[in-house]
Amino acid sequence: AQSVTQLGSHVSVSEGALVLLRCNYSSSVPPYLFWYVQYPNQGLQLLLKYTTGATLVKGINGFEAEFKKSETSFHLTKPSAHMSDAAEYFCAVSRSGGYNKLIFGAGTRLAVHP
Amino acid sequence: NAGVTQTPKFQVLKTGQSMTLQCAQDMNHEYMSWYRQDPGMGLRLIHYSVGAGITDQGEVPNGYNVSRSTTEDFPLRLLSAAPSQTSVYFCASSYSDTPEFGEQYFGPGTRLTVT
Repeated sequence: AQSVTQLGSHVSVSEGALVLLRCNYSSSVPPYLFWYVQYPNQGLQLLLKYTTGATLVKGINGFEAEFKKSETSFHLTKPSAHMSDAAEYFCAVSRSGGYNKLIFGAGTRLAVHP
Repeated sequence: NAGVTQTPKFQVLKTGQSMTLQCAQDMNHEYMSWYRQDPGMGLRLIHYSVGAGITDQGEVPNGYNVSRSTTEDFPLRLLSAAPSQTSVYFCASSYSDTPEFGEQYFGPGTRLTVT
């Protein structure tokens, strides 16, 4: 069975600082992994995804994530935080038998301070 | 394109009442899903559809019914609302179930409170 653990329900950074949001997964099959962002009172928007191939995945808004099979991790990073990055971020893994049947982590709320 | 639309945006129900949450998409997507979002739990899959006339249960289907009579619409029915169904509900759609074309598009959500 698949599962996702996001370490840290709240992360706070200063504007211009590195953003690191942690995600570990469990999957009995090769995983498809995703990061979604949710801005206040909005639906979810896909940031990036890993399916196969290159393990460093670049997404929108300067975010990237690295798939590390040995560590079962898919951490999200951004070199320099912007005030507009303040949002909730969800890591997700596809269920076996369904690419877009997703299992989500609990989410990490990112706050960015001036 | 309007994308994925959901109505209503907010709803308050009393325990035992019934209602239907509407979801529509205008992108000709075959795959549609309903999720609920609860604090500290992320999103959980309620029901899923791979095309008109075909639905399947997700992770938390109890208390919810769905049907898919058209490609565009995927309503979620609560037959007898319970306080445990207080949540934010999201509908999502995608063109296919493959990595190439399987990106899901989410609606803006419906915030439901059951008293």
